[in-house]
Amino acid sequence: KNEVEQSPQNLTAQEGEFITINCSYSVGISALHWLQQHPGGGIVSLFMLSSGKKKHGRLIATINIQEKHSSLHITASHPRDSAVYICAVITGTASKLTFGTGTRLQVTL
Amino acid sequence: EADIYQTPRYLVIGTGKKITLECSQTMGHDKMYWYQQDPGMELHLIHYSYGVNSTEKGDLSSESTVSRIRTEHFPLTLESARPSHTSQYLCASSEFNTEAFFGQGTRLTVV
Repeated sequence: KNEVEQSPQNLTAQEGEFITINCSYSVGISALHWLQQHPGGGIVSLFMLSSGKKKHGRLIATINIQEKHSSLHITASHPRDSAVYICAVITGTASKLTFGTGTRLQVTL
Repeated sequence: EADIYQTPRYLVIGTGKKITLECSQTMGHDKMYWYQQDPGMELHLIHYSYGVNSTEKGDLSSESTVSRIRTEHFPLTLESARPSHTSQYLCASSEFNTEAFFGQGTRLTVV
């Protein structure tokens, strides 16, 4: 069993829909990243959070440390949001990242 | 904007060749990482460094080696490339418990 599990693995949505991607983890963490990876392969950090909720534009990330669960929400989705979204937890003094398998999101017109 | 750079972006090379993938960051971060990602799969840590002259192997066994002679530079070397090394290699840097910054990745193909 992976230490970081994401769901769903694949998601297709129509433009304008509200999207939720879930992440559950089984290890103790110091923080959690939500990352975005476009087809070219580069990765961008969307959020790093260790408690509560963060918002940036149409993106909202929440984390519940007690339940070991985080969610990424996209409001008013747009085709340019199409990408792979990856949950990664930070553990240990080396701040190593352990990654989920990613959620492939396709937003259509 | 992230100040971490990887070169080359794409590399096709023959079996048995020695290659070095470059990674540089200008943020003064002590911690640097190399991750390997096969197509459609998750990233796995192969090497990391706490700082100059400190390197450690990651969770996924790799035949590659790394060095950290300068804070800003963390190159990865394969002494003799094989087709099984074909993958994407991503470099990242951070400070303790702060946001990680990723390079654009090097897509390596060994033929």
